[in-house]
Amino acid sequence: GEDVEQSLFLSVREGDSSVINCTYTDSSSTYLYWYKQEPGAGLQLLTYIFSNMDMKQDQRLTVLLNKKDKHLSLRIADTQTGDSAIYFCAETTLNDYKLSFGAGTTVTVRA
Amino acid sequence: GAGVSQTPSNKVTEKGKYVELRCDPISGHTALYWYRQSLGQGPEFLIYFQGTGAADDSGLPNDRFFAVRPEGSVSTLKIQRTERGDSAVYLCASSLGDSGSPLHFGNGTRLTVT
Repeated sequence: GEDVEQSLFLSVREGDSSVINCTYTDSSSTYLYWYKQEPGAGLQLLTYIFSNMDMKQDQRLTVLLNKKDKHLSLRIADTQTGDSAIYFCAETTLNDYKLSFGAGTTVTVRA
Repeated sequence: GAGVSQTPSNKVTEKGKYVELRCDPISGHTALYWYRQSLGQGPEFLIYFQGTGAADDSGLPNDRFFAVRPEGSVSTLKIQRTERGDSAVYLCASSLGDSGSPLHFGNGTRLTVT
């Protein structure tokens, strides 16, 4: 949605790190999420972070949150061909239950 | 365990017809959501249920769209007098219902209105 913005495309070489960026406008955003969508499939939850955290690491995934700049990033280490997909950033606020999504970043992994 | 199940996976209908899309959430999830995703865009919120009641239906585009969840589990999204602009993927998600609980999505129903 208009409250969450992402760059549309990212191309990365296999084995390199990918960094997908997201900015949001609502300073009261409390929960921020990353979802992955492969062709013809629904959204798969990758990871999420609460606004009282600056960083969260989960295996090859690292999420960084800069609350001052309202900027969220997802780093994928050692990117593989199976990481090719559309990645969505989403946010919600305390006491709100619906997520607002960005338009998605299409990640293409090249050999 | 089983994830969110949506049926049918594809639906083709003629303009003006009525359609129903079904969602079976993860067992034990009290919250259920419907989203709509158009090509090249992120999902857009339609409606959210907590138990049997619609807690927020602010995303329904007009009164042709209606959703129910009579027993607090399975939900049906109903679209009357379909229009070509209704063509999209309709996604259902469920969660534990606590603030911040992540949403778990089904694979969606691709609706095509000809």
